[in-house]
Amino acid sequence: DTAVSQTPKYLVTQMGNDKSIKCEQNLGHDTMYWYKQDSKKFLKIMFSYNNKELIINETVPNRFSPKSPDKAHLNLHINSLELGDSAVYFCASRSLAGSTDTQYFGPGTRLTVL
Amino acid sequence: GQSLEQPSEVTAVEGAIVQINCTYQTSGFYGLSWYQQHDGGAPTFLSYNALDGLEETGRFSSFLSRSDSYGYLLLQELQMKDSASYFCAVRDTGRRALTFGSGTRLQVQP
Repeated sequence: DTAVSQTPKYLVTQMGNDKSIKCEQNLGHDTMYWYKQDSKKFLKIMFSYNNKELIINETVPNRFSPKSPDKAHLNLHINSLELGDSAVYFCASRSLAGSTDTQYFGPGTRLTVL
Repeated sequence: GQSLEQPSEVTAVEGAIVQINCTYQTSGFYGLSWYQQHDGGAPTFLSYNALDGLEETGRFSSFLSRSDSYGYLLLQELQMKDSASYFCAVRDTGRRALTFGSGTRLQVQP
């Protein structure tokens, strides 16, 4: 059973296009995230949702718009794609069970903008 | 804001012990986490320290000193499969997301 899943795994597209990445978690967590990992492996928070409510919106261009139809899903839509958007995008969800604070990451979506 | 520093690369041989250090600056502090990421894979959770001291999970241990804003990940009996990037991350008391360090690439050699 996949805990956090993302589709697609790979996305190759032209500059100026609009694309979406979908994320689903079956862990029952309330909080979900989008992270961006660049070619140097820096992992940076983009957005966080708690129970469908946006709670973190880092300095991200407004071409990026997250949407959470329910607490198990957090999708990312990107308008007018630019070369600099090429990166791996990870979805994650968060557990505070027991004494740990754990984030579970999806497999990532490698976005290449040509 | 938060910032974390960790070495960019560490090399060790199979069977050895390696320590990856992490120092952090944060306006508040909630806990220090460690994640492992193999090339092409997703970060996976290794350990979490909210209080000072050592947490042990099998071959991996993690240490935290809140007064020194410092922690480390200790990997024992290194295996080739431990070759990966290791990230420390902090969550401060005001946010619900992690700030990651830039990662330490560990190469385990035969």
